Amino acid sequence: GAGVSQSPSNKVTEKGKDVELRCDPISGHTALYWYRQSLGQGLEFLIYFQGNSAPDKSGLPSDRFSAERTGGSVSTLTIQRTQQEDSAVYLCASSRDSLANYGYTFGSGTRLTVV
Amino acid sequence: GQQLNQSPQSMFIQEGEDVSMNCTSSSIFNTWLWYKQDPGEGPVLLIALYKAGELTSNGRLTAQFGITRKDSFLNISASIPSDVGIYFCAGREGAQKLVFGQGTRLTINP
Repeated sequence: GAGVSQSPSNKVTEKGKDVELRCDPISGHTALYWYRQSLGQGLEFLIYFQGNSAPDKSGLPSDRFSAERTGGSVSTLTIQRTQQEDSAVYLCASSRDSLANYGYTFGSGTRLTVV
Repeated sequence: GQQLNQSPQSMFIQEGEDVSMNCTSSSIFNTWLWYKQDPGEGPVLLIALYKAGELTSNGRLTAQFGITRKDSFLNISASIPSDVGIYFCAGREGAQKLVFGQGTRLTINP
């Protein structure tokens, strides 16, 4: 597509439930990133996929968080047994390659609220 | 890991004033980028810098890649209401992923 598409745009879930957030990157972009932005805060790196390489999971805050990228395109971020501190905006970005000479293109994010 | 210190954290200015914000790093970067985030949206790239000492303008925006490769600044001249938002710096070393600053929240009083 023309831009990075994320769904849903908003998600309200009960504490303890699992959620799945979807990211559809720009066609042809081989690198995909997930970031978390808590209220009024900066961008916290979560996970990075580059082509067929093993993902960089160094930013995942706990084992309740996981992500996969199928067929080198769409990615799903899964949060199991959600907690209130998981409430944040989850941003996905993609870039043409790992060098990202033109920076990342971000989606509009999924606003997750855990009640 | 690498850390970026972005300042100020927030700014409250009058319309028409000039704005300056900067980022410093403990590491050397070979790319500096500046993003703007509007409410409810993802960050959008404003300016990209690839060479130490480079000074680049984009309309009323001017950004510089510091000579030491450890800092960058962004200036906005003659601010207007649509400049409101959060500005992020980002840096990259080699083929590593971008590292982002904590953001500068700009508020403009008409």
